[in-house]
Amino acid sequence: QVQLQKSGPGLVKPSETLSLTCSVSGYSISNGYYWGWIRQPPGKGLEWIGSIYQSGKTFYNPSLESRVAMSVDTSKNQFSLNLTSVTAADTAVYYCVRDRPNGGFDPWGQGTLVTVSS
Amino acid sequence: EIVLTQSPDTLSLSPGERATLSCRASQSVSSYLAWYQQKPGQAPRLLIYDASNRATGIPARFSGSGSGTDFTLTISSLEPEDFAVYYCQQRRLWPRTFGQGTKVEIK
Repeated sequence: QVQLQKSGPGLVKPSETLSLTCSVSGYSISNGYYWGWIRQPPGKGLEWIGSIYQSGKTFYNPSLESRVAMSVDTSKNQFSLNLTSVTAADTAVYYCVRDRPNGGFDPWGQGTLVTVSS
Repeated sequence: EIVLTQSPDTLSLSPGERATLSCRASQSVSSYLAWYQQKPGQAPRLLIYDASNRATGIPARFSGSGSGTDFTLTISSLEPEDFAVYYCQQRRLWPRTFGQGTKVEIK
């Protein structure tokens, strides 16, 4: 059973960089699939941030592309998100997901709130 | 980018009733559409992928249909645990996009 475990700070200061890592168990990232990040501001809907393939190929949401970088570490079976120059608008619950080529984000890691505040 | 518009925003129904949720795409997504259920405080859960395929462990009362630009999620008989928010999502083109969600609430 594939499981995703997100780690990273719950509080980030404005203008700094939000960094999150997702550890995958039950499946080797090297075997394929895209791996992604999705966020949800409090009380609002879902926003796809980006997806990365095991080779390192990335696709980003155009609205965030200038501030987003994703990476994958196959040796640790992890993938990561960096979001630079954060503001209060980046406050959200962040989820890591497997982005399946045959349809759908599944499974989802546990979501935790990342707050941008001084 | 492809915009997904869900309707209605809120659906008020009683347990045992049939729920019909709609998702319309701004351009064709072929059959590359998924549906998710989200309960308060939980991560979304994949229900349907590629328009009509139930994900593993999803009860048969959930069904999806449609292709091109118009899609429907049907819950044949609402159980108490089905009251939640439902989102559609397309993977036809990058960027992946979601609909704004439909809340199914108890009448």
